[in-house]
Parts: sequence; structure tokens; C-alpha cells
Amino acid sequence: AQKVTQAQTEISVVEKEDVTLDCVYETRDTTYYLFWYKQPPSGELVFLIRRNSFDEQNEISGRYSWNFQKSTSSFNFTITASQVVDSAVYFCALSEAGSGGYNKLIFGAGTRLAVHP
Amino acid sequence: DAGVIQSPRHEVTEMGQEVTLRCKPISGHNSLFWYRQTMMRGLELLIYFNNNVPIDDSGMPEDRFSAKMPNASFSTLKIQPSEPRDSAVYFCASSYSSGASDEQYFGPGTRLTVT
Repeated sequence: AQKVTQAQTEISVVEKEDVTLDCVYETRDTTYYLFWYKQPPSGELVFLIRRNSFDEQNEISGRYSWNFQKSTSSFNFTITASQVVDSAVYFCALSEAGSGGYNKLIFGAGTRLAVHP
Repeated sequence: DAGVIQSPRHEVTEMGQEVTLRCKPISGHNSLFWYRQTMMRGLELLIYFNNNVPIDDSGMPEDRFSAKMPNASFSTLKIQPSEPRDSAVYFCASSYSSGASDEQYFGPGTRLTVT
């Protein structure tokens, strides 16, 4: 069965520290997609990135980077030089190509990141 | 570009009352989702519409919950009668299509409190 595990419930760092948010997934599909969403204190979920199961290249976007490793079923998210504005709950999610014919998202429980000045 | 619009943003009601939550998806998107978020259960998918037709309502908790999508630009989620355990944040999301790769765009949510 499909599952997404974010083992870190809460992380607290001081500004400018690097921080990595872990995501481990389970799926039987060979074609699937992984997502990260950010939920700031305002409440809205913001899409950050999508990765497909055939592309293991790491991705970097400014201070954000993502490391996808199929061998360990992980899709980790690193924030470099964290800032107070990065404080939010971050969700990892999985969508399977065979999931009943639509983009059904399976969410992890989320990791609450607090960045202190 | 306007994102997903939800109203009201906050709703406080008494047990037994009817509650209607509203959603306007992003123009041009043909897939719409309703989610519920609670501390205990996280994000749960309630129902999925494609081209205004309900496709998967397996997440709807019970008969007190109903959802409609009369046209491509409007959807409602109704709870009748409401109960304190329905207190949660309800999100509406839309996507351009229903492919597994299509990201969903979320609205700001409606925080429902049932007393």
C-alpha cells in the first residue's frame, strides 16, 4: 500500500543554519510522482516541487534543494541558510500513476519547521 | 492570476446547524478536490470531481456531508447537521487535469468551528 512518512514532527533551527526535512515513501507502482508543499502560518498550502519516478536528478532552486533516491525510497528537502520566513509546516506527498486514474495525493504527516532569529 | 478562492475563511456555528463551504477553482482547471485537515488525522481527501462530476467520494465521512459542483467555476461542501467533531480546516484544491503528475493548487481554507 502507498504511504508517505515524515519522521520529523518538529525541527527548530537558528537562522542561517542548513536544515534537511526527510521524506520516505512506499509504493508498488513503477511510475509515480513526489511533491513537496509548504504551509506557512497563514494556512494555505503552497506547491513547491514535483518529481517523477524516472528522474533522480537532484534539483536546486535558490536556497532550496531536493534529493531523490529511489534506492532508499526517499525524497529529502534541504533549506540552505534558513530564514525566519521559512518557518512553516512542510508536507511531502505521493501520487501514483495507477491510483484509480487521477492525481490522488497521499500526504505525509508534515514537519513543522521553526526558524529562530 | 486568481488562485483558488474559498469562502467563508472562518465559520463558527452551533451543533446541529447546516454549514455550507464554497469554492471557486482556478479558471481552466477541470479537477477539483475537497480536503479536511485536523491535528489528529492530518490532511484527508474527502471528494474529487472531474469535469464537474464526482468521481471519488470514498473519503466523505458520513451522510451528513455532501458536495456538489453545478458548474466548472463553483463547488460547495455542505454539512448538515454539523457536530463538534467536524471542527477542522477545509481546503479546496484544483488541478489543470487529472494526470498523476498534475500538481494541485490549494485555496486558503475555511476554518470551521462547531460549538
